[in-house]
Amino acid sequence: NAGVTQTPKFQVLKTGQSMTLQCAQDMNHNSMYWYRQDPGMGLRLIYYSASEGTTDKGEVPNGYNVSRLNKREFSLRLESAAPSQTSVYFCASKWGGEETQYFGPGTRLLVL
Amino acid sequence: AQSVTQLDSHVSVSEGTPVLLRCNYSSSYSPSLFWYVQHPNKGLQLLLKYTSAATLVKGINGFEAEFKKSETSFHLTKPSAHMSDAAEYFCVVSGVRGGYNKLIFGAGTRLAVHP
Repeated sequence: NAGVTQTPKFQVLKTGQSMTLQCAQDMNHNSMYWYRQDPGMGLRLIYYSASEGTTDKGEVPNGYNVSRLNKREFSLRLESAAPSQTSVYFCASKWGGEETQYFGPGTRLLVL
Repeated sequence: AQSVTQLDSHVSVSEGTPVLLRCNYSSSYSPSLFWYVQHPNKGLQLLLKYTSAATLVKGINGFEAEFKKSETSFHLTKPSAHMSDAAEYFCVVSGVRGGYNKLIFGAGTRLAVHP
């Protein structure tokens, strides 16, 4: 099992460009999450999907959109990137009844 | 509402000496608590979790944490630090926000281990 995978590993964007971060899990988990990690702030939840077909906003959703494509895949889209979105983005997943989340390796995004 | 505070942003120890990373939590009910570790340029790995069974929880790589309800603490310890323990450590509480269970992260403690 690969667990949670994320692509790309690293990306540089110019202000105003768009991009989609991809996440996939092969553990048959129901719930999937997108976080951003900034120095001194831990991880903050951007969006989550409690089950296939549902998505909800987390703490910091502004400037992002998500798509739960199927049970395995959960993508995060930046429509018009801003320097404030420079961060490391983590995807996570878990079973519906469990609390432990399993994390991907992260995507480092730099917006110039 | 649930929250978690990591009391030290940086901790530095010598190899072979004990490690103590401090965490206090706030929760209106009996929480589930976790410690995750993040090695440089890597994802987050679960070290251990507390879910209202034994108050002393043993994790991977010789780490353990003790849940103390009276002190609202969940400090992480290891008797003898190894160079490979150098990483960032996150204390996490499981909470309910917006009707769903969420993980709420502390700001992190960066552990440096010196020879």
